Amino acid sequence: EDQVTQSPEALRLQEGESSSLNCSYTVSGLRGLFWYRQDPGKGPEFLFTLYSAGEEKEKERLKATLTKKESFLHITAPKPEDSATYLCAAGSGTYKYIFGTGTRLKVLA
Amino acid sequence: DGGITQSPKYLFRKEGQNVTLSCEQNLNHDAMYWYRQDPGQGLRLIYYSQIVNDFQKGDIAEGYSVSREKKESFPLTVTSAQKNPTAFYLCAGKPSGRDTEAFFGQGTRLTVV
Repeated sequence: EDQVTQSPEALRLQEGESSSLNCSYTVSGLRGLFWYRQDPGKGPEFLFTLYSAGEEKEKERLKATLTKKESFLHITAPKPEDSATYLCAAGSGTYKYIFGTGTRLKVLA
Repeated sequence: DGGITQSPKYLFRKEGQNVTLSCEQNLNHDAMYWYRQDPGQGLRLIYYSQIVNDFQKGDIAEGYSVSREKKESFPLTVTSAQKNPTAFYLCAGKPSGRDTEAFFGQGTRLTVV
């Protein structure tokens, strides 16, 4: 069965304290690994798509990487405005997205 | 502004009533989706539509219905048969192409009173 697992469930960091979020996936026919940011009461905002193992993408303080079984979202020197829930989703088949439960990140000033 | 527009932002329903959530897009996306989000759970697929006048059940379709009469619109009706409808509902669109990402609206929070 296709499955996406994110860890940790919640993470508290001091401003400037770098860390990584994990997304493990078991998906047949992966067509892409997607990262989103979600603020409370809002819809997910697209961040990155990764297609093949070894691929990396960066945006400001965020860098996403992909292996054959996992994806990592690295946050370098985070700021309080980076606080949000980060979701990953695996694309399966032609239409389906399988979402993880997310990691709630809190960055303290 | 372009994007996926959901309305209303908040919706209250009395038990036994049907309610309809609106989702409109001007991105020319072929595929549209409805997801339900509950605390501590990932997004769960209710229905999706790949083309006009065609839609498919997702993992939790019971108690819900949809229509896709226009490419731009994909309304979701939460019927009285849905026993636990209180949740955050998200509509998404997907551009054509197999490897593309989904883009989401801002969500509708439905509460049963």
